[in-house]
Amino acid sequence: GAGVSQSPSNKVTEKGKDVELRCDPISGHTALYWYRQSLGQGLEFLIYFQGNSAPDKSGLPSDRFSAERTGGSVSTLTIQRTQQEDSAVYLCASSLDGLSGNTIYFGEGSWLTVV
Amino acid sequence: KQEVTQIPAALSVPEGENLVLNCSFTDSAIYNLQWFRQDPGKGLTSLLLIQSSQREQTSGRLNASLDKSSGRSTLYIAASQPGDSATYLCAVNTGFQKLVFGTGTRLLVSP
Repeated sequence: GAGVSQSPSNKVTEKGKDVELRCDPISGHTALYWYRQSLGQGLEFLIYFQGNSAPDKSGLPSDRFSAERTGGSVSTLTIQRTQQEDSAVYLCASSLDGLSGNTIYFGEGSWLTVV
Repeated sequence: KQEVTQIPAALSVPEGENLVLNCSFTDSAIYNLQWFRQDPGKGLTSLLLIQSSQREQTSGRLNASLDKSSGRSTLYIAASQPGDSATYLCAVNTGFQKLVFGTGTRLLVSP
């Protein structure tokens, strides 16, 4: 696609429910990233995919968070048993490959509110 | 641990002024530095990417410089316009495109 596409753009969920956030990267980009932006805090790295594998998942805050990528394209970030502190904007990004030097392009984010 | 700081946190200027946004980072072992713009309720738009071997990059009215040894970068915006109002974020690439972001500078340009 022309840009990084994320869905849903907005999600309100009840505490304890599971949510899935989807990211469709720019066509041909092999590297995909998830970041989180919480109110009053900066952007924090969650996980990086190169192809379908995740060489760096060091930023996932707890085992309630997981992500997968299939077909080297679409990625899903799943949050189980959501908590209020999970409320944030979840941003997906992609780049041509994982080599440093390529511009990283961000989607418009999925705004998650846990009530 | 890499830490990125942006000063000022907020800036308000009249239209037409030239301005400088500052970014500093604690670990000079970076691959590159990227400046982004974020509009309210939107994602990030990449403005400029400076490789670690470069000193500056220019795009239109924007000029970004990098002094890796001192851990500093600046974003210079010439002849500011109301449409430049946004939050500006700098991010350092610590490897494999893993970005560490600053907390941003909120810019308001008044007509």
